[in-house]
Amino acid sequence: GAGVSQTPSNKVTEKGKYVELRCDPISGHTALYWYRQSLGQGPEFLIYFQGTGAADDSGLPNDRFFAVRPEGSVSTLKIQRTERGDSAVYLCASSLSGGKNIQYFGAGTRLSVL
Amino acid sequence: QKEVEQDPGPLSVPEGAIVSLNCTYSNSAFQYFMWYRQYSRKGPELLMYTYSSGNKEDGRFTAQVDKSSKYISLFIRDSQPSDSATYLCALELSGGGADGLTFGKGTHLIIQP
Repeated sequence: GAGVSQTPSNKVTEKGKYVELRCDPISGHTALYWYRQSLGQGPEFLIYFQGTGAADDSGLPNDRFFAVRPEGSVSTLKIQRTERGDSAVYLCASSLSGGKNIQYFGAGTRLSVL
Repeated sequence: QKEVEQDPGPLSVPEGAIVSLNCTYSNSAFQYFMWYRQYSRKGPELLMYTYSSGNKEDGRFTAQVDKSSKYISLFIRDSQPSDSATYLCALELSGGGADGLTFGKGTHLIIQP
C-alpha cells in the first residue's frame, strides 16, 4: 500500500514569505506527527495530531508555525514570515493509535529560505 | 546536555565487519527504544523496536537496551555496502502514540566494499 506522502519534495522561498507543506498519511492511521530535521541533526518533534485535534504542539518553535488536520487525514504545516533559520527538512510520520507506536515517515519536504 | 547523545561519526568499516552503534540518554522516564535507518534524501525507516532491558535480534541486527546505564546499542553483523546510511536512535516516554519521538543526532555509517 501507499506510504506517507509529502508535497512538495522541495520548496524554495524568500525570507518573509508564507509556505504550506502537505502530508498525506497512511490510510487508516489516526496519529500524525511533524518533525523538523536540520542538517547533521536528528529529527526534532514539532506537533502531534490524534484525529483532527493537536494533542501536543509543544515542539512548535514559535507562533509563526501552525499545523492543521481538519478532516483527520491530510495535514498541512504552515509557516508565516519565513526566516533563513527555518531552512530544514520537514518530516511527517503517521501511526496507528494504541499498542506499539511505530511511526512511518515520509521522505520529507526540503525547505530552503533564501 | 542533550537528552540523547549519539556520536555522529562518520564510522567507516570494511564489508563483513560487525558494527556497533550506541546512544546514551539522561531521562530515565524513557521506556521505548527504537533504531531507524535513514538513507540520503529519504525518510527514516524503523529497524528495531524494544521496550525492555536486554537483547532483541532480527536477522543481522541486534538491539540491546540497558536501562540501568541508560545506554542502548545496535549491532549489525556481516555488514554490507547497502547498510551504508545514517542510523538514528529514537526514544519514547510512553507507548501508544501519545508522544513524539526524541532522536539522537544520528551516526553516519560507511561500509567499504
